[in-house]
Amino acid sequence: AAGVIQSPRHLIKEKRETATLKCYPIPRHDTVYWYQQGPGQDPQFLISFYEKMQSDKGSIPDRFSAQQFSDYHSELNMSSLELGDSALYFCASSLVGADTQYFGPGTRLTVL
Amino acid sequence: AQRVTQPEKLLSVFKGAPVELKCNYSYSGSPELFWYVQYSRQRLQLLLRHISRESIKGFTADLNKGETSFHLKKPFAQEEDSAMYYCALRGTSGSRLTFGEGTQLTVNP
Repeated sequence: AAGVIQSPRHLIKEKRETATLKCYPIPRHDTVYWYQQGPGQDPQFLISFYEKMQSDKGSIPDRFSAQQFSDYHSELNMSSLELGDSALYFCASSLVGADTQYFGPGTRLTVL
Repeated sequence: AQRVTQPEKLLSVFKGAPVELKCNYSYSGSPELFWYVQYSRQRLQLLLRHISRESIKGFTADLNKGETSFHLKKPFAQEEDSAMYYCALRGTSGSRLTFGEGTQLTVNP
């Protein structure tokens, strides 16, 4: 079965640069979630979208923005990168109202 | 506010021994509880949902609302069970998952 796809899998950036992470949900899933997992930390919810509209917002810095497109894929845009942004960024998808979120493999972002 | 606590960051057992990973939660409503497993920094994989009351890979978990706990149990641990286990809560007011700090389980031969 198709799973959640994230690209790129690895990304290395310099401080103050920008980064764009992409997430392709499981087919027919209409809800996308973004989580950030720092080294040795548990995943922290950033933001979610349903039908291209922001549905929930967590501890997402103002330097980050995200959107969901008509094909339900989502992009997380990160600007003015800081060393502390180095983390594994997971995307998850689900059907609206469903209890189970399916996670992608993550994008490992390293900020130098 | 919703909060999940996993008191043990590290848990080590021998193969064939019983294992219990503890999870306590704080939430004012009726939460949905999950266990996710992460092997060697791979993607998070759903292991169990409390509403399904199923057993996956020999693991079970029972929601105890009185003790606000959702402990994960397996009677006979296997080496392939070695992984990071996260307990997660989904509240009724939103769809986000709140994770516990995780428990790294090591099953020794």
